[in-house]
Amino acid sequence: SQQGEEDPQALSIQEGENATMNCSYKTSINNLQWYRQNSGRGLVHLILIRSNEREKHSGRLRVTLDTSKKSSSLLITASRAADTASYFCATDAPQTGANNLFFGTGTRLTVIP
Amino acid sequence: DGGITQSPKYLFRKEGQNVTLSCEQNLNHDAMYWYRQDPGQGLRLIYYSQIVNDFQKGDIAEGYSVSREKKESFPLTVTSAQKNPTAFYLCASSTAGGEYEQYFGPGTRLTVT
Repeated sequence: SQQGEEDPQALSIQEGENATMNCSYKTSINNLQWYRQNSGRGLVHLILIRSNEREKHSGRLRVTLDTSKKSSSLLITASRAADTASYFCATDAPQTGANNLFFGTGTRLTVIP
Repeated sequence: DGGITQSPKYLFRKEGQNVTLSCEQNLNHDAMYWYRQDPGQGLRLIYYSQIVNDFQKGDIAEGYSVSREKKESFPLTVTSAQKNPTAFYLCASSTAGGEYEQYFGPGTRLTVT
């Protein structure tokens, strides 16, 4: 399966600290995306990084991609209580010919005020 | 006000009954997707459609059926053949292709007893 795996499964930090979560995947990709899900809600797209990019920033988010290691990381700086959510990575799978995304199992982030 | 809607938010059914979950989008997206999410788990793809009147099975299509008669609508029927239908169901849409972000609806929580 192409499905990614996030690490850690759960992360608890104090407000103001940085949060780092990692994603590993199995086959070659064109792009990798990160999504956020508040409990009981739909997912919200955060950022997309293409296979020819190594790092991308959006506000307090920093995403890195290492295609040689088939891994990505999401860094949230200066975390806030409102960042409490589950975070998922998702990859495409161009080699399969399928036009859909494959989601990881998620990291549950808790930011303590 | 563009977006993707799912109804109802909560649905209760007796075992042995078929049930249809609604998904509508006014984003003019060609592609639509149905996912299933179990507690503490990632998303698993049930069906997806890249264009009207066409759809493909995802990883867990058994016990489910879909139709795509209109671009805006992609209803999912959970049949009595689905052995463990109780779950959170998420619908998403995107510009066709895995290189585009997906927009998610708020989800439908189905409970079958």
